[in-house]
Amino acid sequence: TQLLEQSPQFLSIQEGENLTVYCNSSSVFSSLQWYRQEPGEGPVLLVTVVTGGEVKKLKRLTFQFGDARKDSSLHITAAQPGDTGLYLCAGVAGTYKYIFGTGTRLKVLA
Amino acid sequence: GAVVSQHPSWVICKSGTSVKIECRSLDFQATTMFWYRQFPKQSLMLMATSNEGSKATYEQGVEKDKFLINHASLTLSTLTVTSAHPEDSSFYICSATSGQDYTFGSGTRLTVV
Repeated sequence: TQLLEQSPQFLSIQEGENLTVYCNSSSVFSSLQWYRQEPGEGPVLLVTVVTGGEVKKLKRLTFQFGDARKDSSLHITAAQPGDTGLYLCAGVAGTYKYIFGTGTRLKVLA
Repeated sequence: GAVVSQHPSWVICKSGTSVKIECRSLDFQATTMFWYRQFPKQSLMLMATSNEGSKATYEQGVEKDKFLINHASLTLSTLTVTSAHPEDSSFYICSATSGQDYTFGSGTRLTVV
């Protein structure tokens, strides 16, 4: 069974702080995505990384795909209350089949 | 962008009854749709993958006779929770892809009383 472990599970920080969320697996994925989900809504795609070692930036968010395509990280600079939510990584396992990570619940306090 | 509509957004039903949830791709043809289940404060667990015109592929531990999936057209997939019980209460989310876009619905909160 392919598993994606995210750490930390919960994170509560003050506005302006930096944070990093990790997504780790023993399996290799052809690509990996990061989502943010608000309560009562479906996940919203933030980014897709495909190449090992790839780094993508989305404003204050920096995503990195591990060289071996088994892990990924999400770094948020100067977090804001609007960043609050559930962050999910998802690895592509086979054709169109996505395996979701265990999730990281982030709360940014004003 | 691609839009996936899920209906209803919430439903309350009595134990023992069946509930149908619809997932529609509004502006693209979805060759593959996925159904997920999410418990409070937890991640999404893939239940099944459905391709238009064929039987759904269920993940291990998911009862196919309890969670009936029909993908009758390229824009519609339905999930029917049969003989629902309180432990079936959860947030159910669908997603759809045409091979390029991969979009989630807004989810359905099912409460079985």
